[in-house]
Amino acid sequence: RKEVEQDPGPFNVPEGATVAFNCTYSNSASQSFFWYRQDCRKEPKLLMSVYSSGNEDGRFTAQLNRASQYISLLIRDSKLSDSATYLCVVGVGSNTGKLIFGQGTTLQVKP
Amino acid sequence: ETGVTQTPRHLVMGMTNKKSLKCEQHLGHNAMYWYKQSAKKPLELMFVYSLEERVENNSVPSRFSPECPNSSHLFLHLHTLQPEDSALYLCASSQWGQRSSYNEQFFGPGTRLTVL
Repeated sequence: RKEVEQDPGPFNVPEGATVAFNCTYSNSASQSFFWYRQDCRKEPKLLMSVYSSGNEDGRFTAQLNRASQYISLLIRDSKLSDSATYLCVVGVGSNTGKLIFGQGTTLQVKP
Repeated sequence: ETGVTQTPRHLVMGMTNKKSLKCEQHLGHNAMYWYKQSAKKPLELMFVYSLEERVENNSVPSRFSPECPNSSHLFLHLHTLQPEDSALYLCASSQWGQRSSYNEQFFGPGTRLTVL
């Protein structure tokens, strides 16, 4: 079983649509959770951290369910510029800064 | 320069060559990382350095040798690589706090390596 599992997609949606990505992780000792965004042939960049109570940043909402070891990202009112690969990322175990990345989910927003 | 820079951006090498990848961070961070990104695979952590000490070596073959001379610079020395080592090598840095080492990591643009 992969340590961080995501549906690779691609998700093809029209502008203005709402789209949700899911992610599961296997290590119950995981401490920190993030969504990173990676544009084609570019480096990953932090989109948002994910907190236990859930958090929102503009059109983006992240949720964490520790019991189910499940993380989600909701994007409302999709823009063309949201087209990218979204990486689910988990900080594991002891304080070593070790992040485990999912394979990523590709989003393509169409006009 | 700002952020995290990497050189070279592209590298083609034979299996018998020796080369080095360089990373420099201009963010005042105290931790640096090497990652490998192969096609259709997730980013794989290779090495973690905190305050110039290696704290993680993720079962990486010895043909990859990291060096961290100070908190701003990180090198990855390559020798006798295999074609399957062809990938994008990404450097990142972050600031470890007292409570957590999982603060945001800032990535460089990567070095695209091809081993012939």
